This record gives sequence, C-alpha cells and structure tokens, in this order.
Amino acid sequence: DGGITQSPKYLFRKEGQNVTLSCEQNLNHDAMYWYRQDPGQGLRLIYYSQIVNDFQKGDIAEGYSVSREKKESFPLTVTSAQKNPTAFYLCASSSSLNNEQFFGPGTRLTVL
Amino acid sequence: AQKVTQAQTEISVVEKEDVTLDCVYETRDTTYYLFWYKQPPSGELVFLIRRNSFDEQNEISGRYSWNFQKSTSSFNFTITASQVVDSAVYFCALRWAGNMLTFGGGTRLMVKP
Repeated sequence: DGGITQSPKYLFRKEGQNVTLSCEQNLNHDAMYWYRQDPGQGLRLIYYSQIVNDFQKGDIAEGYSVSREKKESFPLTVTSAQKNPTAFYLCASSSSLNNEQFFGPGTRLTVL
Repeated sequence: AQKVTQAQTEISVVEKEDVTLDCVYETRDTTYYLFWYKQPPSGELVFLIRRNSFDEQNEISGRYSWNFQKSTSSFNFTITASQVVDSAVYFCALRWAGNMLTFGGGTRLMVKP
C-alpha cells in the first residue's frame, strides 16, 4: 500500500543525546516536510525538501538537521542544541503537481 | 504575512447536533489554497478538503460541508448530525509560496453520545 511511514512511534531520549526520526514514503512524491506539534497547538514547519539533495529551513529549524539523499527518505535529527525537544513530530509529503500534503502517523519524542 | 486563526479551541456537542468550526485566514497572495485536516486520537492528520482562492462554491460531502467566503476571509466547516466518531482535532490550513502550509491552532471537537 502507498503511504508514509514514520518510526519509531514512541521515542525516549536522555538530555544531551542526538536522536534521528525516520520518515519514508512510497508515493513517489518530490516534496517532503517535517512538522512539530506541541500539546494543544497547531503544526509548525521545521524543514522541507522540494527535491533530492536540497532542503530548506522552516519556521523553527534551530536545533534540528535533515538530509535528503533519496527521494523516498527524509530523516530528521534532533540535536542536543534543541532546547525543548519533547513534542509530537509529523512527516508529510506532496507531489510537485498536487497541493495536498499527506501525513505519516507521527513520532512522539520524550526527553527524560 | 500568512496567518490562520481558529478562534474556537474546544467545542462540545451532543450526538446528532450540527456543529460549525470557524476558520479565518490572512494572506496578501491572490492565489492560494485552503485546507481542512482531521486529527483523530491516533495522531495522523487526515486530509478532508482543498479549496483554491478562485472557487467560492460551497461544497458538500456527506455530512460535511464547507463555506468559503473571500469577502470575510473565512473557510468554515460544518458537520451535520455529528457522531461520536467525529471527535477529533480539526485544523484549517493555508497554502502559499509553493507547497508551504500555515496551520491554525486547531479546534478540538468532542461529540458526546
């Protein structure tokens, strides 16, 4: 089935550690996105990539890094520089010819 | 600047009641798209509808309907005869500059049996 997968569903991290969240899509979409959602709030854009080997900062990129080596994959690394990383992280993708973004199931990151 | 406002943070209704979720947007772009997404407790966002700025026709899909009014910069969402399964957080979003989405803060809808 076509779709977006994110792993893991739940992730726990100790302060000071980097952690990488996985996002894979088999929809053949060119564009991929990472959003952060805090409790009771909307989504905020962290990074996005319109094409392989290219990505741009979103509204809250500080403390995060990404790579886009393959069309299907857009991993997000939460670094120790991110001051408050506990949140729900959503990955999305869209076709360059379509407007809808389709979302993965999300990863809930908790820093202990 | 782009902005989406969902003034209702939480709404509670009894099953079978009709309910309208408000969305007001701000943009200087003449071409833009508006969206509604549903986020059930599982967390995944589910796409509901897209509307472009040149199409002000209202749309109905089963129990769902949408009212787009450019004059008031609003894109409201109505659920008719609500059901418990409609309980979720609903987000309105504005697309601008390619594929960028600006989301509202969301409205949590609770439908009680």
